[in-house]
Amino acid sequence: ETVLTQSPATLSLSPGERATLSCRASQNVDTYLLWYQQKPGQAPRLLIYDGSYRASDIPARFSGSGSGTDFTLTISSLEPEDSAVYYCQQRSNWPPLTFGGGTKVEIK
Amino acid sequence: EVQLVESGGGVVQPGGSLRLSCAASGFTVSSYYMNWVRQAPGKGLEWVSVMFSGGNTYYADSVKGRFTISRHISKNMLDLQLNSLRPEDTAVYYCAGGPTGGILVYWGQGTPVTVSS
Repeated sequence: ETVLTQSPATLSLSPGERATLSCRASQNVDTYLLWYQQKPGQAPRLLIYDGSYRASDIPARFSGSGSGTDFTLTISSLEPEDSAVYYCQQRSNWPPLTFGGGTKVEIK
Repeated sequence: EVQLVESGGGVVQPGGSLRLSCAASGFTVSSYYMNWVRQAPGKGLEWVSVMFSGGNTYYADSVKGRFTISRHISKNMLDLQLNSLRPEDTAVYYCAGGPTGGILVYWGQGTPVTVSS
Protein backbone atom coordinates (compact mmCIF):
# COMPACT_ATOMS: atom_id res chain seq x y z
CA GLU A 1 0.00 0.00 0.00
CA THR A 2 1.29 3.43 -0.92
CA VAL A 3 1.50 5.77 2.08
CA LEU A 4 1.13 9.50 1.43
CA THR A 5 2.63 11.97 3.91
CA GLN A 6 1.50 15.59 3.79
CA SER A 7 3.27 18.59 5.26
CA PRO A 8 2.88 20.87 7.00
CA ALA A 9 -0.10 19.83 9.09
CA THR A 10 -1.26 23.43 9.33
CA LEU A 11 -0.43 26.50 7.28
CA SER A 12 -1.44 29.95 8.49
CA LEU A 13 -1.07 32.72 5.90
CA SER A 14 -2.56 36.09 4.99
CA PRO A 15 -4.72 36.84 1.96
CA GLY A 16 -2.60 37.38 -1.14
CA GLU A 17 0.24 35.21 0.11
CA ARG A 18 1.48 32.09 -1.66
CA ALA A 19 0.72 28.68 -0.12
CA THR A 20 2.90 25.66 -0.81
CA LEU A 21 1.61 22.25 0.30
CA SER A 22 3.68 19.08 0.07
CA CYS A 23 2.77 15.43 -0.45
CA ARG A 24 5.35 12.65 -0.39
CA ALA A 25 4.62 9.08 -1.51
CA SER A 26 6.25 5.99 -0.02
CA GLN A 27 6.80 4.61 -3.52
CA ASN A 28 6.73 5.86 -7.09
CA VAL A 29 3.25 6.95 -8.20
CA ASP A 30 4.42 8.45 -11.53
CA THR A 31 2.09 11.45 -11.98
CA TYR A 32 -1.04 9.71 -10.67
CA LEU A 33 -1.45 12.10 -7.77
CA LEU A 34 -4.59 14.12 -7.06
CA TRP A 35 -5.53 16.98 -4.74
CA TYR A 36 -8.88 17.65 -3.05
CA GLN A 37 -10.21 20.57 -1.04
CA GLN A 38 -12.61 20.03 1.85
CA LYS A 39 -14.39 22.80 3.72
CA PRO A 40 -16.13 22.19 7.07
CA GLY A 41 -19.38 20.28 6.71
CA GLN A 42 -18.86 19.71 3.00
CA ALA A 43 -17.79 16.84 0.79
CA PRO A 44 -14.31 16.98 -0.73
CA ARG A 45 -13.92 18.68 -4.10
CA LEU A 46 -11.45 17.59 -6.79
CA LEU A 47 -8.90 20.30 -7.53
CA ILE A 48 -6.03 18.68 -9.43
CA TYR A 49 -5.74 15.29 -11.09
CA ASP A 50 -2.74 13.38 -12.44
CA GLY A 51 -0.22 15.75 -10.96
CA SER A 52 -0.97 19.00 -12.73
CA TYR A 53 -4.36 19.06 -14.46
CA ARG A 54 -6.95 21.38 -12.99
CA ALA A 55 -10.44 19.97 -12.66
CA SER A 56 -13.42 21.77 -14.13
CA ASP A 57 -14.16 25.23 -12.72
CA ILE A 58 -11.05 25.30 -10.53
CA PRO A 59 -9.45 28.76 -10.43
CA ALA A 60 -6.06 29.22 -12.07
CA ARG A 61 -4.47 30.19 -8.74
CA PHE A 62 -4.41 26.47 -7.90
CA SER A 63 -1.60 24.50 -9.52
CA GLY A 64 -0.01 21.11 -9.02
CA SER A 65 3.45 19.82 -9.81
CA GLY A 66 5.71 16.86 -9.21
CA SER A 67 6.25 13.27 -10.24
CA GLY A 68 7.52 10.07 -8.73
CA THR A 69 7.36 10.55 -4.97
CA ASP A 70 7.33 14.33 -4.37
CA PHE A 71 4.40 16.58 -5.19
CA THR A 72 3.35 20.15 -4.51
CA LEU A 73 0.05 22.00 -4.51
CA THR A 74 0.52 25.74 -4.87
CA ILE A 75 -2.10 28.42 -4.26
CA SER A 76 -0.51 31.45 -5.87
CA SER A 77 -2.46 34.17 -4.08
CA LEU A 78 -4.67 33.12 -1.18
CA GLU A 79 -8.29 34.18 -1.05
CA PRO A 80 -10.39 34.00 2.14
CA GLU A 81 -12.49 31.20 0.63
CA ASP A 82 -9.38 29.01 0.31
CA SER A 83 -9.54 28.25 4.02
CA ALA A 84 -9.96 24.45 4.04
CA VAL A 85 -8.24 21.11 4.51
CA TYR A 86 -6.37 19.83 1.45
CA TYR A 87 -5.81 16.12 0.82
CA CYS A 88 -3.61 14.36 -1.68
CA GLN A 89 -4.57 10.94 -3.08
CA GLN A 90 -2.79 8.47 -5.34
CA ARG A 91 -4.27 6.25 -8.03
CA SER A 92 -1.08 4.65 -9.31
CA ASN A 93 -0.96 1.56 -7.15
CA TRP A 94 -4.62 0.80 -6.54
CA PRO A 95 -6.78 -0.61 -5.21
CA PRO A 96 -6.56 0.58 -2.55
CA LEU A 97 -6.79 4.29 -3.21
CA THR A 98 -4.87 6.05 -0.47
CA PHE A 99 -5.09 9.57 0.91
CA GLY A 100 -2.65 11.74 2.79
CA GLY A 101 -3.48 12.96 6.27
CA GLY A 102 -4.35 16.47 5.10
CA THR A 103 -3.01 20.01 5.41
CA LYS A 104 -5.20 22.64 7.04
CA VAL A 105 -4.87 26.08 5.47
CA GLU A 106 -5.91 28.93 7.70
CA ILE A 107 -6.33 32.48 6.44
CA LYS A 108 -5.20 35.10 8.96
CA GLU B 1 -26.14 17.81 -14.08
CA VAL B 2 -24.44 14.98 -12.20
CA GLN B 3 -25.73 14.41 -8.68
CA LEU B 4 -25.12 11.76 -6.00
CA VAL B 5 -27.41 11.47 -2.98
CA GLU B 6 -26.63 9.05 -0.15
CA SER B 7 -29.11 7.67 2.34
CA GLY B 8 -29.42 4.92 4.91
CA GLY B 9 -27.08 6.11 7.63
CA GLY B 10 -28.00 5.98 11.30
CA VAL B 11 -27.13 4.69 14.75
CA VAL B 12 -26.51 0.97 15.17
CA GLN B 13 -25.15 -1.23 17.93
CA PRO B 14 -21.83 -3.04 17.58
CA GLY B 15 -22.32 -6.22 15.57
CA GLY B 16 -25.31 -4.74 13.76
CA SER B 17 -25.94 -4.05 10.09
CA LEU B 18 -26.87 -1.12 7.85
CA ARG B 19 -27.44 -0.67 4.16
CA LEU B 20 -26.32 2.57 2.56
CA SER B 21 -27.62 3.71 -0.81
CA CYS B 22 -26.38 6.26 -3.33
CA ALA B 23 -28.84 7.52 -5.95
CA ALA B 24 -27.18 8.83 -9.08
CA SER B 25 -28.53 11.23 -11.69
CA GLY B 26 -26.95 12.71 -14.80
CA PHE B 27 -25.02 9.54 -15.63
CA THR B 28 -25.35 5.76 -15.30
CA VAL B 29 -23.57 4.08 -12.38
CA SER B 30 -22.68 1.10 -14.56
CA SER B 31 -20.51 3.30 -16.80
CA TYR B 32 -18.45 4.88 -14.00
CA TYR B 33 -15.98 3.72 -11.36
CA MET B 34 -18.03 4.10 -8.18
CA ASN B 35 -16.46 4.24 -4.73
CA TRP B 36 -17.34 4.56 -1.08
CA VAL B 37 -15.05 6.77 1.01
CA ARG B 38 -15.48 7.40 4.73
CA GLN B 39 -14.36 10.01 7.20
CA ALA B 40 -14.33 9.38 10.93
CA PRO B 41 -15.17 12.37 13.15
CA GLY B 42 -12.32 14.89 13.03
CA LYS B 43 -10.18 12.58 10.89
CA GLY B 44 -9.04 12.28 7.29
CA LEU B 45 -10.43 10.44 4.30
CA GLU B 46 -10.34 6.65 4.05
CA TRP B 47 -11.17 4.72 0.90
CA VAL B 48 -13.57 1.83 1.58
CA SER B 49 -14.59 0.11 -1.65
CA VAL B 50 -14.93 0.41 -5.42
CA MET B 51 -17.02 -1.15 -8.14
CA PHE B 52 -15.42 -0.89 -11.56
CA SER B 53 -17.59 -0.14 -14.57
CA GLY B 54 -17.00 -3.75 -15.63
CA GLY B 55 -18.35 -5.03 -12.32
CA ASN B 56 -15.17 -5.99 -10.44
CA THR B 57 -15.21 -5.06 -6.77
CA TYR B 58 -12.44 -4.30 -4.27
CA TYR B 59 -12.33 -3.48 -0.57
CA ALA B 60 -10.06 -1.93 2.01
CA ASP B 61 -8.53 -4.55 4.31
CA SER B 62 -10.32 -2.94 7.25
CA VAL B 63 -13.75 -3.83 5.84
CA LYS B 64 -13.07 -6.91 3.73
CA GLY B 65 -15.49 -9.72 4.56
CA ARG B 66 -17.87 -7.37 6.38
CA PHE B 67 -18.94 -4.83 3.73
CA THR B 68 -20.39 -5.54 0.29
CA ILE B 69 -20.69 -3.08 -2.58
CA SER B 70 -23.36 -3.58 -5.23
CA ARG B 71 -25.28 -1.65 -7.85
CA HIS B 72 -28.83 -1.62 -9.16
CA ILE B 73 -28.68 -0.71 -12.83
CA SER B 74 -32.44 -0.26 -13.24
CA LYS B 75 -32.59 2.12 -10.27
CA ASN B 76 -29.23 3.73 -11.14
CA MET B 77 -28.08 3.25 -7.57
CA LEU B 78 -24.99 2.08 -5.70
CA ASP B 79 -25.31 0.31 -2.36
CA LEU B 80 -23.00 -0.60 0.49
CA GLN B 81 -24.08 -3.34 2.88
CA LEU B 82 -22.35 -2.96 6.25
CA ASN B 83 -22.32 -6.05 8.49
CA SER B 84 -20.62 -6.87 11.77
CA LEU B 85 -20.22 -3.19 12.50
CA ARG B 86 -17.60 -1.98 14.95
CA PRO B 87 -17.24 1.34 16.80
CA GLU B 88 -14.30 2.19 14.53
CA ASP B 89 -16.66 2.11 11.53
CA THR B 90 -18.28 5.30 12.84
CA ALA B 91 -17.89 7.87 10.08
CA VAL B 92 -19.56 9.90 7.38
CA TYR B 93 -19.79 7.67 4.32
CA TYR B 94 -19.45 9.33 0.92
CA CYS B 95 -20.35 7.93 -2.46
CA ALA B 96 -17.88 9.21 -5.07
CA GLY B 97 -16.78 8.38 -8.58
CA GLY B 98 -16.17 9.29 -12.17
CA PRO B 99 -15.44 7.97 -15.64
CA THR B 100 -11.75 7.34 -14.96
CA GLY B 101 -10.61 4.87 -12.34
CA GLY B 102 -9.29 6.47 -9.20
CA ILE B 103 -10.37 10.02 -10.01
CA LEU B 104 -13.21 11.02 -7.67
CA VAL B 105 -14.81 13.80 -9.70
CA TYR B 106 -18.28 13.58 -8.24
CA TRP B 107 -19.18 13.30 -4.54
CA GLY B 108 -22.40 12.99 -2.61
CA GLN B 109 -23.10 14.97 0.55
CA GLY B 110 -22.42 11.96 2.77
CA THR B 111 -24.49 9.91 5.20
CA PRO B 112 -23.42 9.49 8.86
CA VAL B 113 -23.05 6.09 10.50
CA THR B 114 -22.62 5.79 14.27
CA VAL B 115 -21.79 2.45 15.84
CA SER B 116 -22.39 2.63 19.56
CA SER B 117 -24.08 0.71 22.35
